[in-house]
Amino acid sequence: GQQLNQSPQSMFIQEGEDVSMNCTSSSIFNTWLWYKQDPGEGPVLLIALYKAGELTSNGRLTAQFGITRKDSFLNISASIPSDVGIYFCAGTYNAGNNRKLIWGLGTSLAVNP
Amino acid sequence: DVKVTQSSRYLVKRTGEKVFLECVQDMDHENMFWYRQDPGLGLRLIYFSYDVKMKEKGDIPEGYSVSREKKERFSLILESASTNQTSMYLCASRGVDRGRFFGPGTRLTVL
Repeated sequence: GQQLNQSPQSMFIQEGEDVSMNCTSSSIFNTWLWYKQDPGEGPVLLIALYKAGELTSNGRLTAQFGITRKDSFLNISASIPSDVGIYFCAGTYNAGNNRKLIWGLGTSLAVNP
Repeated sequence: DVKVTQSSRYLVKRTGEKVFLECVQDMDHENMFWYRQDPGLGLRLIYFSYDVKMKEKGDIPEGYSVSREKKERFSLILESASTNQTSMYLCASRGVDRGRFFGPGTRLTVL
């Protein structure tokens, strides 16, 4: 079946550092979505990508839809303590006549002040 | 901003009890979803609904049912709760940009 690999699984960084995480799929995706989940809360949509090559920013966050349509990355610049949380990628792909959404397992980010 | 609310943040039930988890969204979204989230397994889709009184099975529907009597409300029902249904349950609705908006989650413990 369809697989979505997200890496790294966890990161521990110093405040001020830049962060990069990525997701790769086994086949072509139509959409890439990046979410952040704070402890005890539901995921919140950060960035949505709809076209191959698309590069979108949201404040200190930048995400790109890979040109092959099989990968996406999320960068966080100048990390701050409130960036702590779990970041999830998700993507949609065609499954027969339907469009399905699958999720990565998340990247847990810890920021040392 | 879209608001998705869930009836309880924490719930403790006994094995065999019938459990209702309620979700309400205030943005007139047609699509609503129920997921469960478990460590190492990520988010798994239980059921979804694309219209009132319509429902579709997700990836793990066994042991669950749903109800969508009104557009804004989507309920998840555990007919007879079991310990393996201890989990974080997340409701979501989908807007026009196809991103899902999540509620805060209900952490259910079945003893």
